[in-house]
Amino acid sequence: DVKVTQSSRYLVKRTGEKVFLECVQDMDHENMFWYRQDPGLGLRLIYFSYDVKMKEKGDIPEGYSVSREKKERFSLILESASTNQTSMYLCASRAGLGSYEQYFGPGTRLTVT
Amino acid sequence: GNSVTQMEGPVTLSEEAFLTINCTYTATGYPSLFWYVQYPGEGLQLLLKATKADDKGSNKGFEATYRKETTSFHLEKGSVQVSDSAVYFCALRGQYNFNKFYFGSGTKLNVKP
Repeated sequence: DVKVTQSSRYLVKRTGEKVFLECVQDMDHENMFWYRQDPGLGLRLIYFSYDVKMKEKGDIPEGYSVSREKKERFSLILESASTNQTSMYLCASRAGLGSYEQYFGPGTRLTVT
Repeated sequence: GNSVTQMEGPVTLSEEAFLTINCTYTATGYPSLFWYVQYPGEGLQLLLKATKADDKGSNKGFEATYRKETTSFHLEKGSVQVSDSAVYFCALRGQYNFNKFYFGSGTKLNVKP
């Protein structure tokens, strides 16, 4: 079974802090994604990566950056956390071309106070 | 552009009732369509998919048919169980960009014994 793990289930940070959210997948998938999930808005794509050191902006990249130094690990970085970044963050991975299914991690609920 | 609209919840049903969750989409070309389910405290899991018009996806008693003429992909189940209580997301993947998924806002289903 594909496993996608996220470093924390719950996180509380202060405004202005630098925040790292880590995601690891164990199936050698090329593609990895970061979404945020907010009530009434569904999932919105922040960034995705299709290879090591390669990344593309999603629909809401402002205030976020990402890092993919190894194939299995994809990090989301909030350079200076703000209260409007309080949300559920979901990581996902997908195999290469021709593959449909995204595998999701359990999510990190981030609260910025 | 691409987008997905699904019925607002919550939907509350008694066990063994018939379920329909409506989903309509806007897309150029020939998208692939998905239903994901999110159980409490977990990430999303793929429930079923359909990759071309008139395809029927099915899994665990759930079904959805890709209707291009009505741009719809409604989720149905003949007899729901308490264990089906979850949030259901309709999603679309465009024909040309395999890494962009568009999610609906989610529909929460509560099934009472």
